[in-house]
Amino acid sequence: ILNVEQSPQSLHVQEGDSTNFTCSFPSSNFYALHWYRWETAKSPEALFVMTLNGDEKKKGRISATLNTKEGYSYLYIKGSQPEDSATYLCALKYGGSQGNLIFGKGTKLSVKP
Amino acid sequence: DTAVSQTPKYLVTQMGNDKSIKCEQNLGHDTMYWYKQDSKKFLKIMFSYNNKELIINETVPNRFSPKSPDKAHLNLHINSLELGDSAVYFCASSPRQGHSYEQYFGPGTRLTVT
Repeated sequence: ILNVEQSPQSLHVQEGDSTNFTCSFPSSNFYALHWYRWETAKSPEALFVMTLNGDEKKKGRISATLNTKEGYSYLYIKGSQPEDSATYLCALKYGGSQGNLIFGKGTKLSVKP
Repeated sequence: DTAVSQTPKYLVTQMGNDKSIKCEQNLGHDTMYWYKQDSKKFLKIMFSYNNKELIINETVPNRFSPKSPDKAHLNLHINSLELGDSAVYFCASSPRQGHSYEQYFGPGTRLTVT
């Protein structure tokens, strides 16, 4: 059974703090790593899809890195804002283009003004 | 403009009933999915359809039957509902199956079986 682990489970930061969290996954059969942002009472929204070892992606104040050899990805948020409060999910696509997405449990971020 | 829509948003029903959840996407995507958010809050894939054809059928009881009348719709029919079926069900779509495209999720349907 493939497991995607995310840490920490929850995180409380002050507005303006920079933060990061981790997604760990088995490196065998890797195909892609997805990051999603999930606000309460809304749907998950895609942030990044990463496929290559060493990939770095950035969207505004949010960026992500990928290490497929050691099986981890980091998500960074620079200068957190209250609107960044959400659960951040990572999902591993394995086994080729028709493979499933296996989601982690998420990191719940709360940013206090 | 809602990209991926699901109806109903909430569904409360009794054990043994049969119910359907509808999903529609107006993005022109080829691939659609059904996920179940379980009691531990994990999102787990149930089914994947590509151009109306079943691609993935995870270990899901055969009481669950997806139906795709066209590329824009993937409905989920559930027979003989059980208490353990209570969960939030999410529909999603992506442009293609054969590449690492991001998925677009619907708002979810909260099913409560009493």
